[in-house]
Amino acid sequence: KAGVTQTPRYLIKTRGQQVTLSCSPISGHRSVSWYQQTPGQGLQFLFEYFSETQRNKGNFPGRFSGRQFSNSRSEMNVSTLELGDSALYLCASSLRLAAYNEQFFGPGTRLTVL
Amino acid sequence: GENVEQHPSTLSVQEGDSAVIKCTYSDSASNYFPWYKQELGKRPQLIIDIRSNVGEKKDQRIAVTLNKTAKHFSLHITETQPEDSAVYFCAASHARGANNLFFGTGTRLTVIP
Repeated sequence: KAGVTQTPRYLIKTRGQQVTLSCSPISGHRSVSWYQQTPGQGLQFLFEYFSETQRNKGNFPGRFSGRQFSNSRSEMNVSTLELGDSALYLCASSLRLAAYNEQFFGPGTRLTVL
Repeated sequence: GENVEQHPSTLSVQEGDSAVIKCTYSDSASNYFPWYKQELGKRPQLIIDIRSNVGEKKDQRIAVTLNKTAKHFSLHITETQPEDSAVYFCAASHARGANNLFFGTGTRLTVIP
């Protein structure tokens, strides 16, 4: 089975721009979660989607949004980019929506905001 | 919300020695505690997890213990090897019908050959 894939792997943007990141989960997985990883804050939960619906949201501003498609692929969007948005964005897929489910991480998209 | 603290932030051990990483959590409703290993430039990978109804779990050289009363859990690696060098993250999850994990800040483990 192919693992979780994310595109693009690297992205450079300037302040004020917007960006869209994509995540394809493991085949058959219906839950996709997004995390932001920075040296200072570690791994922080952004949001989770299941069956095209956002089920949970972390403590991030409204500039961060996402969606999930019928094939379980997910995208996240960040508008009006700020320097502090520079981070590694990881998505993770899981079979079901429940605790105890192993989450499989993708390789991440490294976003640099200049 | 849940707050997970992890110590130490860095840890160096000689090859063959044991390593212990400790985490505490704040929300008594948390019931699932996975540990992830992240090698440099790679994605986090689950190495072991434990549920709140279990006090200890072992998998070869790796073990995790959980003290629900004190709200802390620990990762133990015995007979460390150079390939164990990585950043280790603990996490906690508590929401029913949700997968969101609250992560500790990570421990950089270096195993010296």
